[in-house]
Amino acid sequence: DTAVSQTPKYLVTQMGNDKSIKCEQNLGHDTMYWYKQDSKKFLKIMFSYNNKELIINETVPNRFSPKSPDKAHLNLHINSLELGDSAVYFCASSQDSTDDNEKLFFGSGTQLSVL
Amino acid sequence: GEDVEQSLFLSVREGDSSVINCTYTDSSSTYLYWYKQEPGAGLQLLTYIFSNMDMKQDQRLTVLLNKKDKHLSLRIADTQTGDSAIYFCAERSGGSYIPTFGRGTSLIVHP
Repeated sequence: DTAVSQTPKYLVTQMGNDKSIKCEQNLGHDTMYWYKQDSKKFLKIMFSYNNKELIINETVPNRFSPKSPDKAHLNLHINSLELGDSAVYFCASSQDSTDDNEKLFFGSGTQLSVL
Repeated sequence: GEDVEQSLFLSVREGDSSVINCTYTDSSSTYLYWYKQEPGAGLQLLTYIFSNMDMKQDQRLTVLLNKKDKHLSLRIADTQTGDSAIYFCAERSGGSYIPTFGRGTSLIVHP
């Protein structure tokens, strides 16, 4: 019954590998997001996606790519992982990005550790 | 400087009131939010306030907004140990639907 679920919860991998994090929401929301939270808890938007547009934070390396097979899913693919990619990645969703009062619902996070 | 700033830590005694402060830079902010993050979990929306309001109360939570100074605060009355968490301030401006978050304030409640 989890509203926004992401898997895996923990991901430990070697530098240079390619990995994916999956996210699914069962709230019927139109917009999904990926945020990166660093070791100092700073939460930074990476991507925002609905069926109309993908907004990419220009500071995100192109090794990161979102993939949305349908509006309930937004997966995050990461190529050639680097040490600096270690962080907690949060998926989130919201009802309608055009609504001024945009409330985000977050998943429980994926702790990525790159060795 | 950052768009949304908060102090990093706040320590209070159980039963006291906690006040967590936040400042932001975007004068076109429409909605301002407080999210709570418990250990090992995602953020959960606690409360929000529209920019034309000065105050909003919701049970033990009181949000105060000083739009002139671009200052937002969250007061938690009768703070309990279960309130220990990281509290994030976020703002959403009219120009973007994506909220910008502060770095979070770690609230520590001790007996």
